Amino acid sequence: GENVEQHPSTLSVQEGDSAVIKCTYSDSASNYFPWYKQELGKGPQLIIDIRSNVGEKKDQRIAVTLNKTAKHFSLHITETQPEDSAVYFCAASLTSGTYKYIFGTGTRLKVLA
Amino acid sequence: GAGVSQSPRYKVAKRGQDVALRCDPISGHVSLFWYQQALGQGPEFLTYFQNEAQLDKSGLPSDRFFAERPEGSVSTLKIQRTQQEDSAVYLCASSLYLLAGRVKNIQYFGAGTRLSVL
Repeated sequence: GENVEQHPSTLSVQEGDSAVIKCTYSDSASNYFPWYKQELGKGPQLIIDIRSNVGEKKDQRIAVTLNKTAKHFSLHITETQPEDSAVYFCAASLTSGTYKYIFGTGTRLKVLA
Repeated sequence: GAGVSQSPRYKVAKRGQDVALRCDPISGHVSLFWYQQALGQGPEFLTYFQNEAQLDKSGLPSDRFFAERPEGSVSTLKIQRTQQEDSAVYLCASSLYLLAGRVKNIQYFGAGTRLSVL
């Protein structure tokens, strides 16, 4: 079945530096890739998403890139701030059928002030 | 309106007890999903509803797990004869499904119910 691998599992950066989280998916039919941020005791919140017909998408300090050939997608956070500290999950989905998300195992990001 | 609401937020059950977890999706959202999130892991798909129809239950781990959405809105996930391995956060998500003919499968998550089985 579909599998999503996510790396690294933990990431510490100094405030103001950039953070990059990488994911790889197995099902070449996947065509929708959301990224979620989860803070302690809360549900996942969508921060950015990308569809397979686009290679890159940016929203202020956050960007996502997609390489369909390699089945890789990445989250880039620039100018990190302490409030960016959280667990980040990537996911892969189809825009047909069940639409269920297959999640990665998460990256705990710690931004050091 | 409000986001996805789940209750209770915390549930402690003795092994062997039955539990029922409730999800109120965003008003008007057609699709509803249940996920199980073990400690330190990503959410794992359990089941999916489109309106009142349960279209995919391939992720339910055993026949002790049962979900329903009888009127196409509120959903209940029931776990019978709970076991320690059922301890996890159970997340509910809803999505609009279709807007102006386009599939809008962005899923909005509730805060979850943390189930602890002793």
